[in-house]
Amino acid sequence: DTEVTQTPKHLVMGMTNKKSLKCEQHMGHRAMYWYKQKAKKPPELMFVYSYEKLSINESVPSRFSPECPNSSLLNLHLHALQPEDSALYLCASSRVGLPTDTQYFGPGTRLTVL
Amino acid sequence: DAKTTQPNSMESNEEEPVHLPCNHSTISGTDYIHWYRQLPSQGPEYVIHGLTSNVNNRMASLAIAEDRKSSTLILHRATLRDAAVYYCILRASISGAGSYQLTFGKGTKLSVIP
Repeated sequence: DTEVTQTPKHLVMGMTNKKSLKCEQHMGHRAMYWYKQKAKKPPELMFVYSYEKLSINESVPSRFSPECPNSSLLNLHLHALQPEDSALYLCASSRVGLPTDTQYFGPGTRLTVL
Repeated sequence: DAKTTQPNSMESNEEEPVHLPCNHSTISGTDYIHWYRQLPSQGPEYVIHGLTSNVNNRMASLAIAEDRKSSTLILHRATLRDAAVYYCILRASISGAGSYQLTFGKGTKLSVIP
């Protein structure tokens, strides 16, 4: 099974709401990633978790809070977002250790902030 | 990270070969060349990767110049399902993290004409 699942598929939230995005994989991968993709732009890396520890934060605002509760799950907690945060949020996973390792992406959560 | 340059868009007729170029003149000796593609409304998916030698798999072929400053992704018979944005990515290591991030460039949008 090479599937990365993401829920929900679509999310609409107000600027004062708190919501969470969920990502799950069962490939035994120990690296997990969050990317943000604006319309007609390439994905941009937000966070990297390696062995359930945050290893990279690409200067993402604190209103985005990642969490990796175990090796199969990755969450992205959202609070006080701005309309410009509306985007497709992609989760990916891979093995850890080699530059040849493939990243497997989920279908994304399309977020709209009103 | 070393940068890549790709044409913004290309067109191909169905069932004809497609050659997608990528320039990476500042590539380092240890950078792997990866190609991912993103079909409409989906997350990116791995296509192929290589270091120095040409590579083939069931999806495509990768031709790497002898000086490694450019590469070409070859789709041998384009189908309508191959219409996507194709990203050429140099895989850089993250010091101490053990995971290898993907830095996406703008990519080439491939249109396939029936």
